[in-house]
Amino acid sequence: GENVEQHPSTLSVQEGDSAVIKCTYSDSASNYFPWYKQELGKGPQLIIDIRSNVGEKKDQRIAVTLNKTAKHFSLHITETQPEDSAVYFCAAIDTGNQFYFGTGTSLTVIP
Amino acid sequence: AAGVIQSPRHLIKEKRETATLKCYPIPRHDTVYWYQQGPGQDPQFLISFYEKMQSDKGSIPDRFSAQQFSDYHSELNMSSLELGDSALYFCASSPRTGNTGELFFGEGSRLTVL
Repeated sequence: GENVEQHPSTLSVQEGDSAVIKCTYSDSASNYFPWYKQELGKGPQLIIDIRSNVGEKKDQRIAVTLNKTAKHFSLHITETQPEDSAVYFCAAIDTGNQFYFGTGTSLTVIP
Repeated sequence: AAGVIQSPRHLIKEKRETATLKCYPIPRHDTVYWYQQGPGQDPQFLISFYEKMQSDKGSIPDRFSAQQFSDYHSELNMSSLELGDSALYFCASSPRTGNTGELFFGEGSRLTVL
Protein backbone atom coordinates (compact mmCIF):
# COMPACT_ATOMS: atom_id res chain seq x y z
CA GLY A 1 0.00 0.00 0.00
CA GLU A 2 0.83 3.67 0.02
CA ASN A 3 3.39 5.11 2.48
CA VAL A 4 3.31 8.84 3.17
CA GLU A 5 6.14 10.57 5.02
CA GLN A 6 5.89 14.13 6.29
CA HIS A 7 8.56 16.57 7.46
CA PRO A 8 9.20 18.40 9.68
CA SER A 9 7.20 17.14 12.64
CA THR A 10 7.38 20.57 14.29
CA LEU A 11 7.94 23.99 12.78
CA SER A 12 8.17 27.42 14.37
CA VAL A 13 8.20 30.59 12.32
CA GLN A 14 7.97 34.28 13.03
CA GLU A 15 4.74 35.99 12.06
CA GLY A 16 5.00 37.18 8.47
CA ASP A 17 7.56 34.57 7.46
CA SER A 18 6.84 31.62 5.18
CA ALA A 19 6.34 28.01 6.24
CA VAL A 20 6.99 24.96 4.09
CA ILE A 21 5.92 21.41 4.88
CA LYS A 22 7.00 18.51 2.69
CA CYS A 23 5.56 15.07 2.05
CA THR A 24 6.70 12.10 0.01
CA TYR A 25 4.62 9.17 -1.16
CA SER A 26 5.46 5.74 -2.48
CA ASP A 27 2.61 4.70 -4.79
CA SER A 28 3.07 6.30 -8.18
CA ALA A 29 -0.59 5.55 -8.96
CA SER A 30 -1.83 7.92 -6.24
CA ASN A 31 -3.58 10.81 -7.91
CA TYR A 32 -5.05 13.09 -5.25
CA PHE A 33 -3.13 14.93 -2.53
CA PRO A 34 -5.09 16.97 0.02
CA TRP A 35 -3.78 19.00 2.93
CA TYR A 36 -5.67 19.23 6.20
CA LYS A 37 -5.40 21.73 9.06
CA GLN A 38 -6.35 20.47 12.49
CA GLU A 39 -6.83 22.85 15.37
CA LEU A 40 -6.80 21.58 18.92
CA GLY A 41 -9.83 19.45 19.73
CA LYS A 42 -11.29 19.82 16.25
CA GLY A 43 -11.55 17.68 13.18
CA PRO A 44 -9.14 18.01 10.25
CA GLN A 45 -10.29 20.63 7.78
CA LEU A 46 -9.40 20.50 4.11
CA ILE A 47 -7.45 23.63 3.20
CA ILE A 48 -6.10 22.87 -0.26
CA ASP A 49 -5.65 19.91 -2.55
CA ILE A 50 -3.94 19.03 -5.80
CA ARG A 51 -4.49 16.36 -8.39
CA SER A 52 -1.80 14.56 -10.30
CA ASN A 53 -2.54 16.36 -13.55
CA VAL A 54 -1.30 19.72 -12.23
CA GLY A 55 2.00 20.82 -10.73
CA GLU A 56 0.94 23.75 -8.58
CA LYS A 57 -2.17 25.24 -7.05
CA LYS A 58 -2.56 28.45 -5.11
CA ASP A 59 -5.29 29.86 -2.89
CA GLN A 60 -4.42 33.25 -1.40
CA ARG A 61 -1.56 32.67 1.07
CA ILE A 62 -1.54 28.90 0.63
CA ALA A 63 0.00 26.98 -2.24
CA VAL A 64 0.73 23.34 -2.94
CA THR A 65 3.28 21.96 -5.40
CA LEU A 66 3.50 18.44 -6.73
CA ASN A 67 6.47 16.69 -8.30
CA LYS A 68 5.15 13.41 -9.68
CA THR A 69 8.53 12.21 -10.87
CA ALA A 70 10.08 12.58 -7.44
CA LYS A 71 6.81 11.63 -5.70
CA HIS A 72 6.74 14.54 -3.35
CA PHE A 73 4.42 17.43 -2.67
CA SER A 74 4.72 20.48 -0.47
CA LEU A 75 2.53 22.99 1.32
CA HIS A 76 3.64 26.61 1.29
CA ILE A 77 2.11 29.21 3.59
CA THR A 78 3.23 32.80 3.04
CA GLU A 79 2.84 35.79 5.34
CA THR A 80 2.05 33.51 8.25
CA GLN A 81 -0.31 34.68 10.96
CA PRO A 82 -0.84 33.41 14.52
CA GLU A 83 -4.13 31.81 13.47
CA ASP A 84 -2.17 29.58 11.09
CA SER A 85 -0.83 27.76 14.17
CA ALA A 86 -2.20 24.20 14.03
CA VAL A 87 -1.26 20.67 13.05
CA TYR A 88 -1.12 20.13 9.31
CA PHE A 89 -1.55 16.72 7.71
CA CYS A 90 -0.80 15.76 4.14
CA ALA A 91 -2.50 12.79 2.57
CA ALA A 92 -2.38 10.72 -0.58
CA ILE A 93 -5.27 8.79 -2.04
CA ASP A 94 -4.55 5.59 -3.90
CA THR A 95 -6.36 3.91 -6.76
CA GLY A 96 -8.58 2.12 -4.25
CA ASN A 97 -9.82 5.50 -2.97
CA GLN A 98 -8.07 4.88 0.34
CA PHE A 99 -6.60 7.87 2.21
CA TYR A 100 -3.12 7.66 3.70
CA PHE A 101 -2.15 10.44 6.08
CA GLY A 102 1.26 11.81 6.88
CA THR A 103 2.29 11.95 10.52
CA GLY A 104 1.51 15.63 10.86
CA THR A 105 3.44 18.88 11.34
CA SER A 106 2.79 21.08 14.34
CA LEU A 107 3.17 24.65 13.11
CA THR A 108 3.62 27.48 15.59
CA VAL A 109 3.56 31.06 14.36
CA ILE A 110 5.26 33.35 16.85
CA PRO A 111 3.72 36.84 17.04
CA ALA B 1 -23.30 24.54 4.46
CA ALA B 2 -24.12 21.36 6.31
CA GLY B 3 -21.17 19.47 7.73
CA VAL B 4 -20.55 16.02 9.12
CA ILE B 5 -22.29 15.68 12.46
CA GLN B 6 -20.93 13.40 15.16
CA SER B 7 -22.42 12.50 18.50
CA PRO B 8 -21.71 12.45 21.30
CA ARG B 9 -18.83 14.94 21.31
CA HIS B 10 -17.52 13.57 24.59
CA LEU B 11 -17.99 10.17 26.19
CA ILE B 12 -16.58 8.69 29.37
CA LYS B 13 -16.76 4.93 29.95
CA GLU B 14 -15.32 2.36 32.31
CA LYS B 15 -13.16 -0.55 31.17
CA ARG B 16 -15.12 -3.44 29.69
CA GLU B 17 -18.13 -1.23 28.97
CA THR B 18 -19.67 -0.61 25.57
CA ALA B 19 -19.84 2.64 23.61
CA THR B 20 -21.66 3.71 20.47
CA LEU B 21 -20.67 6.67 18.33
CA LYS B 22 -22.91 8.13 15.66
CA CYS B 23 -22.10 9.94 12.44
CA TYR B 24 -24.40 11.84 10.09
CA PRO B 25 -22.65 12.53 6.78
CA ILE B 26 -23.06 15.58 4.61
CA PRO B 27 -26.30 15.28 2.59
CA ARG B 28 -25.82 13.36 -0.66
CA HIS B 29 -22.50 11.91 0.50
CA ASP B 30 -22.70 8.15 0.10
CA THR B 31 -19.39 7.15 1.67
CA VAL B 32 -18.51 7.24 5.35
CA TYR B 33 -15.11 6.66 6.94
CA TRP B 34 -14.18 6.13 10.60
CA TYR B 35 -10.79 7.16 11.96
CA GLN B 36 -9.15 6.87 15.36
CA GLN B 37 -6.67 9.51 16.47
CA GLY B 38 -4.55 9.08 19.57
CA PRO B 39 -2.76 12.01 21.24
CA GLY B 40 -0.13 13.45 18.91
CA GLN B 41 -0.91 10.86 16.24
CA ASP B 42 -2.22 11.07 12.73
CA PRO B 43 -5.70 9.71 12.06
CA GLN B 44 -5.71 5.92 11.71
CA PHE B 45 -8.25 4.45 9.33
CA LEU B 46 -10.68 2.00 10.92
CA ILE B 47 -13.40 1.19 8.41
CA SER B 48 -15.45 2.68 5.58
CA PHE B 49 -18.85 2.18 4.03
CA TYR B 50 -20.17 2.91 0.56
CA GLU B 51 -23.87 2.72 -0.13
CA LYS B 52 -24.46 0.93 3.20
CA MET B 53 -21.94 -1.80 2.46
CA GLN B 54 -18.52 -2.10 4.07
CA SER B 55 -16.01 -1.01 1.45
CA ASP B 56 -12.65 -1.05 3.24
CA LYS B 57 -11.30 -2.23 6.55
CA GLY B 58 -8.27 -0.85 8.31
CA SER B 59 -6.89 -1.35 11.78
CA ILE B 60 -10.25 -1.88 13.45
CA PRO B 61 -10.15 -4.24 16.46
CA ASP B 62 -12.47 -7.23 16.47
CA ARG B 63 -14.17 -5.68 19.51
CA PHE B 64 -15.39 -2.87 17.27
CA SER B 65 -18.11 -3.05 14.66
CA ALA B 66 -19.81 -0.51 12.47
CA GLN B 67 -22.62 -0.19 10.01
CA GLN B 68 -24.21 2.32 7.70
CA PHE B 69 -27.98 2.68 7.70
CA SER B 70 -30.50 3.39 4.96
CA ASP B 71 -30.35 7.14 5.69
CA TYR B 72 -26.53 6.91 5.28
CA HIS B 73 -25.77 7.66 8.91
CA SER B 74 -23.26 5.34 10.49
CA GLU B 75 -22.64 3.97 13.97
CA LEU B 76 -19.41 2.67 15.46
CA ASN B 77 -19.96 0.16 18.25
CA MET B 78 -17.11 -0.52 20.64
CA SER B 79 -17.32 -3.32 23.19
CA SER B 80 -15.09 -4.56 26.01
CA LEU B 81 -13.47 -1.14 26.12
CA GLU B 82 -9.83 -0.92 27.05
CA LEU B 83 -7.79 2.00 28.35
CA GLY B 84 -6.02 2.15 24.99
CA ASP B 85 -9.28 2.87 23.23
CA SER B 86 -9.22 6.39 24.67
CA ALA B 87 -8.88 8.61 21.62
CA LEU B 88 -10.60 11.00 19.30
CA TYR B 89 -12.84 9.21 16.83
CA PHE B 90 -13.53 11.01 13.60
CA CYS B 91 -16.11 10.31 11.01
CA ALA B 92 -15.62 11.63 7.50
CA SER B 93 -17.85 11.58 4.47
CA SER B 94 -17.20 11.75 0.78
CA PRO B 95 -19.25 11.96 -2.37
CA ARG B 96 -17.88 8.70 -3.77
CA THR B 97 -20.17 9.01 -6.71
CA GLY B 98 -18.16 11.10 -9.14
CA ASN B 99 -15.00 10.10 -7.25
CA THR B 100 -13.87 13.61 -6.37
CA GLY B 101 -11.73 12.16 -3.60
CA GLU B 102 -12.53 14.94 -1.15
CA LEU B 103 -12.94 13.88 2.44
CA PHE B 104 -14.85 16.02 4.94
CA PHE B 105 -14.35 15.40 8.64
CA GLY B 106 -16.67 15.86 11.56
CA GLU B 107 -15.56 17.51 14.77
CA GLY B 108 -14.90 14.16 16.39
CA SER B 109 -16.04 12.24 19.44
CA ARG B 110 -13.62 12.12 22.34
CA LEU B 111 -13.79 8.80 24.15
CA THR B 112 -12.18 8.48 27.56
CA VAL B 113 -11.96 5.01 29.08
CA LEU B 114 -11.30 4.95 32.83
